Amino acid sequence: QSALTQPASVSGSPGQSITISCTGTISDIGGYNYVSWYQQHPGKAPKLMIYDVNNRPSGVSYRFSGSKSGNTASLTISGLQAEDEGYYYCSSYTTRTTHSYVFGTGTKVTVV
Amino acid sequence: QLQVVESGGGVVQPGRSLRLSCAASGFTLSSYAMHWVRQAPGKGLEWVAAISYDGSNKYYADSVKGRFTISRDESKNTLYLQMSSLRAEDTALYYCAREVIPVAAVGGIDNWGLGTLVTVSS
Repeated sequence: QSALTQPASVSGSPGQSITISCTGTISDIGGYNYVSWYQQHPGKAPKLMIYDVNNRPSGVSYRFSGSKSGNTASLTISGLQAEDEGYYYCSSYTTRTTHSYVFGTGTKVTVV
Repeated sequence: QLQVVESGGGVVQPGRSLRLSCAASGFTLSSYAMHWVRQAPGKGLEWVAAISYDGSNKYYADSVKGRFTISRDESKNTLYLQMSSLRAEDTALYYCAREVIPVAAVGGIDNWGLGTLVTVSS
């Protein structure tokens, strides 16, 4: 399964908003509302931040929001904080082959 | 307390087999789809396999299809990943995780374990 495309890095200052894009195809992002986003700090397990495009699991800050337009999904982090620094991965259900998930290439978020 | 704990990783020679386990607590496997996801050293996440909440459907990434088998034991509330014909490129930290919504097949992968490291090397 080919990975979804994300920018390698995104940076922002504390308090700013940043947006991470995730580009796929009609067989994944464009065809289904099953996009999810994960945060991973170095040496730690991934944490689910957004599921079903724009739903936040219990305990995830309102500063994180998701959206989708066509074959591209986006994660927006508002009011950027130092603790938001880390890697972010998008994921989508895909039918490029049989029922499966595909992850994005990952984006390093830096708070400068 | 809801958690999953992986075990069974180690160093194995190419071509050999290994079985990973994922002990779940705080919820029952029969209510949730479960996933295995791996991460090679310094690399991104790669989805490996999933089993539906009722165990009737199993799904695999192309990279492991025919070599890996996902299964579960409801009496032990434990998920497994049987890996055979292992290759150097299978070297990774293997995570077990639960689908976020009960019964749902897709949506998001939540409640990740700490992972178990598999190293394939001669």
